[in-house]
Amino acid sequence: DAKTTQPNSMESNEEEPVHLPCNHSTISGTDYIHWYRQLPSQGPEYVIHGLTSNVNNRMASLAIAEDRKSSTLILHRATLRDAAVYYCILQVGGANNLFFGTGTRLTVIP
Amino acid sequence: DADVTQTPRNRITKTGKRIMLECSQTKGHDRMYWYRQDPGLGLRLIYYSFDVKDINKGEISDGYSVSRQAQAKFSLSLESAIPNQTALYFCATSDRDRTTDTQYFGPGTRLTVL
Repeated sequence: DAKTTQPNSMESNEEEPVHLPCNHSTISGTDYIHWYRQLPSQGPEYVIHGLTSNVNNRMASLAIAEDRKSSTLILHRATLRDAAVYYCILQVGGANNLFFGTGTRLTVIP
Repeated sequence: DADVTQTPRNRITKTGKRIMLECSQTKGHDRMYWYRQDPGLGLRLIYYSFDVKDINKGEISDGYSVSRQAQAKFSLSLESAIPNQTALYFCATSDRDRTTDTQYFGPGTRLTVL
C-alpha cells in the first residue's frame, strides 16, 4: 500500500487558516497526491490533487514540498462546515485504487 | 438529484442471510468501486470495475461478490452475512478518460449483521 502519515487530529479557530500536513516519504515520480474529506454522516468528497506543483481551487490549496515527500492542505479560512476527517492519499502511478488511511480529524472552534 | 445513489441506506439483517447493496450513477463514468468503512478507520476497497466486463478484487474481497449489470449499476452481495461485515459501505465512480482517479462517492449504506 502507498503509505501516508497524518496527525490523528487538529483544531482550528473559525475564520483562521488551517494547514493540514501529510508525509509520504515513499512517493515515486508518477504518484499523484490526492486529498479527500469526509463530513459527518457523508461519503468522502474530493478536495484537491497535485503532482509536483502547488495547486489552488475554490476549496483549498495544496502545497507540495520540492522533494515531494510531504504536502500540506491549506484551508484559507476555516468555517464550521469544514469540520471533517481529511484524508491524504497517494494514487500510485496509473493505478485506479485510492488507499485511504485514517486521516486527520479537523475540529473547528467557533 | 444525487449523481451516485445507494440503496438501501440502512439495513439490519441476521447472520447467514444473503444481502445485496445497490449502487447507481448518472455521471456516465466507466469505473465503479465498493468500499467499506469500519468505525474510526479509513475506507478499504472491496471490488472495483473498469467497465461492464471488467471486475477486479480489492484489498478485502473475501465474503463479498459483485455484479456490474450496466455501466450505471454496480451491486455488492454478501452471500452469507456475518457480524464482522457490519460496517458502512460506500460506492464510488470515476472517469476513465482522466489521468487521475478523482472518485465521487455515494451517501453510504449502513449495514448491521446481528
